[in-house]
Amino acid sequence: EAGVTQFPSHSVIEKGQTVTLRCDPISGHDNLYWYRRVMGKEIKFLLHFVKESKQDESGMPNNRFLAERTGGTYSTLKVQPAELEDSGVYFCASSQVPGGGGYGYTFGSGTRLTVV
Amino acid sequence: EDQVTQSPEALRLQEGESSSLNCSYTVSGLRGLFWYRQDPGKGPEFLFTLYSAGEEKEKERLKATLTKKESFLHITAPKPEDSATYLCAVRGYNQGGKLIFGQGTELSVKP
Repeated sequence: EAGVTQFPSHSVIEKGQTVTLRCDPISGHDNLYWYRRVMGKEIKFLLHFVKESKQDESGMPNNRFLAERTGGTYSTLKVQPAELEDSGVYFCASSQVPGGGGYGYTFGSGTRLTVV
Repeated sequence: EDQVTQSPEALRLQEGESSSLNCSYTVSGLRGLFWYRQDPGKGPEFLFTLYSAGEEKEKERLKATLTKKESFLHITAPKPEDSATYLCAVRGYNQGGKLIFGQGTELSVKP
């Protein structure tokens, strides 16, 4: 089965610009998550979709971040306008059951975002 | 507040030298403790889920155990290909599908 696909793998943008990250989850996985790892820190939760609905967006840093999941399939995470502190690696993950259960999440390889 | 602390931050072993990684956690009702392995430039890869104190899971040279306050990942006779960052995460009853991750332990196994 195909894994979780994220693109781009790297993005370098200037402060104030807009960037959109995309995630294609495993087919059939209703649960989709976005996480972020800032350098030197632990991986932190951003939000959780169940199908096309936002189940929990408590980790979204501020209103410069907008996540969508079209038709319960792929998801996008837009940062507008980007700030220096948004730099980090953004991971997408998917699972059949919330939290992953006995099979855990399947993570994508991440998008490394650098804001200069 | 739910929290996960992993130790040590980094561990260097010789091939064949067994050791353990620690994950201490505080959570309001444990709904699952997860171990992941992460290689450079890749996303975390799922290893184990543990649900209750006393539970153990094994996979090749890895064995995960769980108590009410911590989990251990025991590595028996490690090989260089076991070198990676090992991540621990917890899911609490009041956290939906969200996981709380520790900072990880970077393991290096030298031949």
